Amino acid sequence: EDKVVQSPLSLVVHEGDTVTLNCSYEVTNFRSLLWYKQEKKAPTFLFMLTSSGIEKKSGRLSSILDKKELFSILNITATQTGDSAIYLCATRGTGANSKLTFGKGITLSVRP
Amino acid sequence: NAGVTQTPKFRVLKTGQSMTLLCAQDMNHEYMYWYRQDPGMGLRLIHYSVGEGTTAKGEVPDGYNVSRLKKQNFLLGLESAAPSQTSVYFCASSRSRRTSSYNEQFFGPGTRLTVL
Repeated sequence: EDKVVQSPLSLVVHEGDTVTLNCSYEVTNFRSLLWYKQEKKAPTFLFMLTSSGIEKKSGRLSSILDKKELFSILNITATQTGDSAIYLCATRGTGANSKLTFGKGITLSVRP
Repeated sequence: NAGVTQTPKFRVLKTGQSMTLLCAQDMNHEYMYWYRQDPGMGLRLIHYSVGEGTTAKGEVPDGYNVSRLKKQNFLLGLESAAPSQTSVYFCASSRSRRTSSYNEQFFGPGTRLTVL
């Protein structure tokens, strides 16, 4: 059974801090790893990673995958209160149905 | 495009009542999914569908049924609701790998269900 573990489960920082969110996985026939941000409602897509060592970047957010050590990190620099959310990591195997296995999520609170 | 929509947004049921949650997507996606989200549990897959007329069980299918009669709609049914089914339910859709290699899932806004 595929397994995704995120850490820490919750985190409180102050505006301007840099945070690193961790995601480790055990997946049969790994295909990709995805990061989502969830505020009040639906998760919204951030990144999809398929290759080791290639950083994906969007503004103050960046993410990288290590397929040898089976983990990914999501970095947020110069955090803002709007970054407060649950960050979900999910993995997809190579099966045709594109099912995702989600971690429990990391609750990030950014204080002014 | 509305993306993925869900109805209703909120519902309160009594134990033993039945109801159907509706998910609709206007992106012509082949795949659709139903998840439940509980505190500290992340998102867990209930059922999914890889095309019109086909459905399959996910991680936590017991107590739920689904139907995909039309490509754009995916219905989730609770035949006899139980308090353990109190949760937030999310629908999602994605392209198939046959049509796109970039097939992240798009989520609806969720339905908050309380079973008393």
